[in-house]
Amino acid sequence: NAGVTQTPKFQVLKTGQSMTLQCAQDMNHEYMSWYRQDPGMGLRLIHYSVGAGITDQGEVPNGYNVSRSTTEDFPLRLLSAAPSQTSVYFCASSFAASGSGELFFGEGSRLTVL
Amino acid sequence: KQEVTQIPAALSVPEGENLVLNCSFTDSAIYNLQWFRQDPGKGLTSLLLIQSSQREQTSGRLNASLDKSSGRSTLYIAASQPGDSATYLCAANNYGQNFVFGPGTRLSVLP
Repeated sequence: NAGVTQTPKFQVLKTGQSMTLQCAQDMNHEYMSWYRQDPGMGLRLIHYSVGAGITDQGEVPNGYNVSRSTTEDFPLRLLSAAPSQTSVYFCASSFAASGSGELFFGEGSRLTVL
Repeated sequence: KQEVTQIPAALSVPEGENLVLNCSFTDSAIYNLQWFRQDPGKGLTSLLLIQSSQREQTSGRLNASLDKSSGRSTLYIAASQPGDSATYLCAANNYGQNFVFGPGTRLSVLP
């Protein structure tokens, strides 16, 4: 039972570099989302998708880009990394396209931007 | 806009004690509420999901209740164990909208 798989688990970037955080789920979930978790700020929604080809912005989308070409995959791209993007990133999915079903999370990707 | 709070921010109890974690939300038109556990350096593990039509859900030593009118949910942990030490988060959902998370309660169960 793989569930929600995120790669890489750890990454160090220099300011200005770009990278992609990968997220894959094998539960045939329609809804997928990306959160960042920072001390004192809790979990904040970056982007979400209610199905292949459909994405939308969350609370903190600036500096991030997403696409959803398949049901299984929902990569998060950092276009030009900044120290403010140092965080732990979580991908989550749900069976319900409305986003109102039970959420399942990946193990997280810890990103440090120098 | 839905807002979720959790008090206290941290809680320390001796092993064997029964305890209650609190979650408050501002919009009573809630569709469901989910409780999660997060161990240090790990992702969130789903514990219980309560639909708005339900008043409570149980899983093993865990019991979660939902009172929409008062804007509160509680997570009851019976006979706490050191292995229950973790951060517990609640998240509220209004239908068709994304979940809104509380800041979490960090629980320490002392042997």
